[in-house]
This record gives sequence, C-alpha cells and structure tokens, in this order.
Amino acid sequence: QKEVEQDPGPLSVPEGAIVSLNCTYSNSAFQYFMWYRQYSRKGPELLMYTYSSGNKEDGRFTAQVDKSSKYISLFIRDSQPSDSATYLCAMRGSARQLTFGSGTQLTVLP
Amino acid sequence: GAVVSQHPSRVICKSGTSVKIECRSLDFQATTMFWYRQFPKQSLMLMATSNEGSKATYEQGVEKDKFLINHASLTLSTLTVTSAHPEDSSFYICSATGTGGINEQFFGPGTRLTVL
Repeated sequence: QKEVEQDPGPLSVPEGAIVSLNCTYSNSAFQYFMWYRQYSRKGPELLMYTYSSGNKEDGRFTAQVDKSSKYISLFIRDSQPSDSATYLCAMRGSARQLTFGSGTQLTVLP
Repeated sequence: GAVVSQHPSRVICKSGTSVKIECRSLDFQATTMFWYRQFPKQSLMLMATSNEGSKATYEQGVEKDKFLINHASLTLSTLTVTSAHPEDSSFYICSATGTGGINEQFFGPGTRLTVL
C-alpha cells in the first residue's frame, strides 16, 4: 500500500463548478500537508500549505485536513479553464522530504 | 515567492554521454536541495537530498555513481547523469528549501532529458 493515495482521474468539470480533490494517507507521522499545481511540462507550484486539522482558505481555494481520518482535500470554487492542470498532494513529517500523491489531472471545460 | 531555475530546460543526447543539469535558487539561500524524476503521467519520485557542502543522500534504488549530485554553494546544485541510456530519459525536477519557517520546497521548472 502506498503511503499516500490519490485518485489520478482524469477529472473533467464545466467552468464555474466546484472541484473536490482528495488524498488519503497512512503514515501518522505526517504533520505538514501541501497541495501543488503542475502544468504540463512545468515544475510544481505550491498552492496551499496546512499544518493542523481544519480548513484554510486562500481565494478560490480551500484546503481541508482531517488528521483523525488521515484525509485531506482541496476545493476549488468557481473553477476556470486556467485551473486545468495536475494537482498533487504532498506531505511530510519532521524531516524535509516530501511524499507525493500520484496527482489528479483536472480539466475545466469552457 | 522564491524562485528556482533549472538549466537546460531540455536536452537531447546520445547514449553513453554525460549530461549536467543545474539548479539555482535565485533569491534565497538554499540549505537543502532535492532532485526528483517524473515519468509521464506519474508523480514525482525523490532521487536524492543534498545539503550544501556535504554528500548527497540517495533514495533506495538510485545509483549514486550514475546520478552525481554536487551542492557546492547555497544557490547551486548540479545533477550529472553519467553514461546516459535511453531508460534515463525523463523529466528531472529540482526543489530547494531555505532556513527557518515552514521549510516549504520551491520547485524549478524541470529539465526534460531525452537519450537517443
């Protein structure tokens, strides 16, 4: 079993839809949780970073962490075609090395 | 946010040659740099972690004699793929972290290596 599980998709939604992306993990030592966006043939870009359980909002993006269930989510409101990309969850414990999910490919249709 | 650059962005080489990829932190001092490889439609796989001035720590299964990593300064790390073969063709991405704070990783734009 992988330490981090993420549905690879692909996921297609119409413009304006709310997108929900999710990851589950098995390692209780993970303390820091990130969401990265990666456009084709580009490096990942950090979108959201959370430490504790709960919600964190930044514009159209909301990151949610439930440590008791070992489940994290990223919500995108009012999705735009420019949001079309691969979204990677990542997490780590006290060490700096990140463990990534497999990524979910999202397409927002105009 | 912090900026990390990579050079070259794309390289094509013949089998048996060596290729050097540079990773630079442009506006911060990177005490730690990471090297990843990514195959099409797959996630990032960590290859090695390098701290400035010390030897890199390689992940299990990564040949340190094949993937030479040098982190000679706080703003530059290099990955050299020695005697490259077609199976080494991949997307190589570096990331860097600074000191203090949340130690978030900032990623470079990646280098696409094609070995003929």
